[in-house]
Amino acid sequence: GENVEQHPSTLSVQEGDSAVIKCTYSDSASNYFPWYKQELGKRPQLIIDIRSNVGEKKDQRIAVTLNKTAKHFSLHITETQPEDSAVYFCAAASSGGSYIPTFGRGTSLIVHP
Amino acid sequence: NAGVTQTPKFQVLKTGQSMTLQCAQDMNHNSMYWYRQDPGMGLRLIYYSASEGTTDKGEVPNGYNVSRLNKREFSLRLESAAPSQTSVYFCASRGQINEKLFFGSGTQLSVL
Repeated sequence: GENVEQHPSTLSVQEGDSAVIKCTYSDSASNYFPWYKQELGKRPQLIIDIRSNVGEKKDQRIAVTLNKTAKHFSLHITETQPEDSAVYFCAAASSGGSYIPTFGRGTSLIVHP
Repeated sequence: NAGVTQTPKFQVLKTGQSMTLQCAQDMNHNSMYWYRQDPGMGLRLIYYSASEGTTDKGEVPNGYNVSRLNKREFSLRLESAAPSQTSVYFCASRGQINEKLFFGSGTQLSVL
């Protein structure tokens, strides 16, 4: 089955800095890579995703990049703000048939004012 | 439109007790999932249901059973709770249009 590794487990930055979270996956059949944000005590929510037919996707201050050859993808947050503080999960899945995403272990991002 | 509703929000059990976690969605989604979240372990899939009438094991199914009662409801049962099942449990659903998962608000379960 799929195995998703996520690093770092904890990331501490100053407000205004950039943050990068990296994930690797093992199954070359995976073609869909979502990122979920979970604020303290809340449910995970999808913030951005990327499919294997594109290398990069942006949405305001967040972007995701994908390197299919190396089987890794990353989340980039620019101009971080205290409200970006949360746990971020990457995931990998094959979008055909039964959709069963495999999640990484999560990164706790702390943005200091 | 409430989305995905889970009950209860908190529960404390003694070892050996049984309980059922309830989940319902009002978005007419076909697929539903049960995950457990433990510190440093991410979200691990317990069971999923691709459509009404079908259920399949995920990564960590031991000690759990599920029932897809109808298209709206997907329950998770612990027959004989163990301390290792202390966790936060999330139900999720997915529609037919895309792969976005909608999560419930979670159940914090402690087994003493």
